[in-house]
Amino acid sequence: ETGVTQTPRHLVMGMTNKKSLKCEQHLGHNAMYWYKQSAKKPLELMFVYSLEERVENNSVPSRFSPECPNSSHLFLHLHTLQPEDSALYLCASSQVGSNQPQHFGDGTRLSIL
Amino acid sequence: KQEVTQIPAALSVPEGENLVLNCSFTDSAIYNLQWFRQDPGKGLTSLLLIQSSQREQTSGRLNASLDKSSGRSTLYIAASQPGDSATYLCAVSRDRGSTLGRLYFGRGTQLTVWP
Repeated sequence: ETGVTQTPRHLVMGMTNKKSLKCEQHLGHNAMYWYKQSAKKPLELMFVYSLEERVENNSVPSRFSPECPNSSHLFLHLHTLQPEDSALYLCASSQVGSNQPQHFGDGTRLSIL
Repeated sequence: KQEVTQIPAALSVPEGENLVLNCSFTDSAIYNLQWFRQDPGKGLTSLLLIQSSQREQTSGRLNASLDKSSGRSTLYIAASQPGDSATYLCAVSRDRGSTLGRLYFGRGTQLTVWP
């Protein structure tokens, strides 16, 4: 149990579908992150929500839309995805201002048909 | 842009061997360096975090060293066991205080320890 829970664990969707990934952290942290892990690239940061500020990687396509309603919950809304978006999506949380490591969830394995 | 390289990409050893995993990074202006472990189908588990002002950290059979000026870190695993089999990832943080929390990851070293 890492304190960071992601649902669903697996998701298969067509390119025209709309779905959302969910992440919840029970650690009292004040920052949350979305990462993408694909076979062809190193683990890559997509979005950060820190103290209600959103920071994004400029290379992330607009078909990925994050939402952070509070410090404990983070969503990643997906629409009109492409086959190359198939990957493991990892959520993490941390305490801004500390020098402690980020805590990761077990990820959502996403497959685009 | 910070680039992190890990060598070797894969390693297969018999149980009991002492191992060294290597990590290098191109920009020495880091805040900290972290080693993670990832088991198949799982997320990342933090093993060791070395602040930029430190030279090494130890946890049980694991020892991580950091040479910031040369852009290198090593993870030493003593007396390896089959349960150590996993992918080991190195990551560096460039933003002080993790305000943005940005970690730059290597591709990892896939370790197999056989009985």
